Formats: sequence, structure tokens, C-alpha cells
Amino acid sequence: KQEVTQIPAALSVPEGENLVLNCSFTDSAIYNLQWFRQDPGKGLTSLLLIQSSQREQTSGRLNASLDKSSGRSTLYIAASQPGDSATYLCAVKGAQKLVFGQGTRLTINP
Amino acid sequence: NAGVTQTPKFQVLKTGQSMTLQCAQDMNHNSMYWYRQDPGMGLRLIYYSASEGTTDKGEVPNGYNVSRLNKREFSLRLESAAPSQTSVYFCASSLRDRGLVAQHFGDGTRLSIL
Repeated sequence: KQEVTQIPAALSVPEGENLVLNCSFTDSAIYNLQWFRQDPGKGLTSLLLIQSSQREQTSGRLNASLDKSSGRSTLYIAASQPGDSATYLCAVKGAQKLVFGQGTRLTINP
Repeated sequence: NAGVTQTPKFQVLKTGQSMTLQCAQDMNHNSMYWYRQDPGMGLRLIYYSASEGTTDKGEVPNGYNVSRLNKREFSLRLESAAPSQTSVYFCASSLRDRGLVAQHFGDGTRLSIL
């Protein structure tokens, strides 16, 4: 059974720093991996989608990497801003459909 | 620019009552999903519909039923609500169930069972 883990559960950094969020998964037989952002009381917003054959995807200040063989993905956020404060979830798509990690709660301090 | 719309946004029920959560998408997506989100458990798939006319169980289907009414609408029904079903429920849709496609989520329904 696929298990997705995100460490740390919470992260607080000063504004302007570059940071990395981590996601690991136990079964490398995946179709794709998706990073989401969730604001308090809101739904999930898709940030980046990486196909299993790809190594990385970029959107603005966000860069997601995927190493399927080691079961790891990272989300890199450059020049962090207070508006980046949210919970970030990764999810892997495989035979078991979309399996989510429990998220990293990110706080950017002005 | 509606995307995925869920109704109601909030609901309080008594144990044993029934209700239906509604979900509609306007992106002409083929696949739709129902999740629940609980503290410490993350998001878990309840039921999904890969295409109009089909539905399948997810990880936690017990106590729920679904109906894919048409391509746009996918409803989730609690026949006899239990306190363990207190949760935030999210509906999602995607162009198809397989391949490089993103899932798009609604804003959720916050359900409390007393």
C-alpha cells in the first residue's frame, strides 16, 4: 500500500529565504506526482504536476523535482513571501488513485 | 470561472440523519472524486467516478453512497450519519482518471455530526 510522508510537519522561516519542502513515497510505481497548496478553510490548489518520467517542473518561483527510484520529491520555493504561508501537500497517483501526504504547514515571517 | 462547486459549505446533523452533499464541475471533466480530510489522517478517497455512468469505491467507502447524475454532477450521500463522519469533504475533478492530468478541488463542505 502506498504511503506518502512529508517532513517537516511545520516550518517557519523569515521572508526572502529560499526553502525546500520534502515528500517521500514508498511505492515507486506511480503515474505522476502533484503538489498542492491549501489555505485555511479552503480547498486545494494545484501548483505543479510531474509525470513519472520527468525529473522536474517549474512555475514561477516554484520548482518541483522527482526522483522516482528513491521515492522522493522536493518543492523548492525561491525568495519566499508572506503570501506563501499555507499548507503544502504532495500526492502521488498510482493504482491506488491519488494518495496524499499529511502536508507541511509553512509560515513566512515578515 | 467556477471550476468545482460544492454545496452546502457547512452543515450540522444529528446522529442518524441523512443528507446529500452536492458537487458540480463546469470544466467538461470526465472523472470526479470525493475525499474526506481529517486531522492526522490527511485526505482519503471515499468514492470516485472515472467516467459518466461508472462509480468505484475508494479507501474509506463505508457509510457512504454516490451518484454520478450526469457528466457535471457527482453527489455523496450519508444515509445514517454517525459522529465518525464529522469531517471536511472535498470534491475534485480531472479531465480523465489516468495520465498526466491534474485534479481540481472544490472549497469543501464542513460537516459536523452531533
